[in-house]
Amino acid sequence: DTGVSQDPRHKITKRGQNVTFRCDPISEHNRLYWYRQTLGQGPEFLTYFQNEAQLEKSRLLSDRFSAERPKGSFSTLEIQRTEQGDSAMYLCASSPRDRVPQPQHFGDGTRLSIL
Amino acid sequence: AQSVTQLDSQVPVFEEAPVELRCNYSSSVSVYLFWYVQYPNQGLQLLLKYLSGSTLVKGINGFEAEFNKSQTSFHLRKPSVHISDTAEYFCAVMNSGGYQKVTFGIGTKLQVIP
Repeated sequence: DTGVSQDPRHKITKRGQNVTFRCDPISEHNRLYWYRQTLGQGPEFLTYFQNEAQLEKSRLLSDRFSAERPKGSFSTLEIQRTEQGDSAMYLCASSPRDRVPQPQHFGDGTRLSIL
Repeated sequence: AQSVTQLDSQVPVFEEAPVELRCNYSSSVSVYLFWYVQYPNQGLQLLLKYLSGSTLVKGINGFEAEFNKSQTSFHLRKPSVHISDTAEYFCAVMNSGGYQKVTFGIGTKLQVIP
């Protein structure tokens, strides 16, 4: 169990630029989640994948945001035309599909700062 | 819909003293409950979980929590805290259907004073 890996750990960019983050889940986990966490708040759900299928998206996920998981393994989250309000920690989590509910395992996140 | 309320945003406590972090939830369906800990610039680490069975659950680092269905609470306790317990603690509820959506509280910052 190598844990959930996220890259990069930090990203600083100018407003209006596009950014892409990567998440590598625990290898046998077929469920993958993206969350956004702002200062003083708990993580807020963005989207959910089961294998390669994106099955749920939050209203927080505006049309500037897109997520993919092309082969059911790693996932990417892209933000186009970044805005100041996009500054946050972006967390990825994964869990196995099981008949017994399983907790989500989190990566260390990507901290995005918009200048 | 489900929600989580963490009543205390910050809890200062002296080292070796006991601590309780409070959590209340609401949901229209059966839920599963979790506590996570987050250290600065890191992701969330699972402390403990309640899925079913005994209402008192024990987790890592000496923490435990008690599920109280009538009061819709899941308070986290530790009988004697250590400096290394200084972190932010999140209560979370997972619904029992669908894609098992998890909703987090806003967190409680535990500050252990030497």
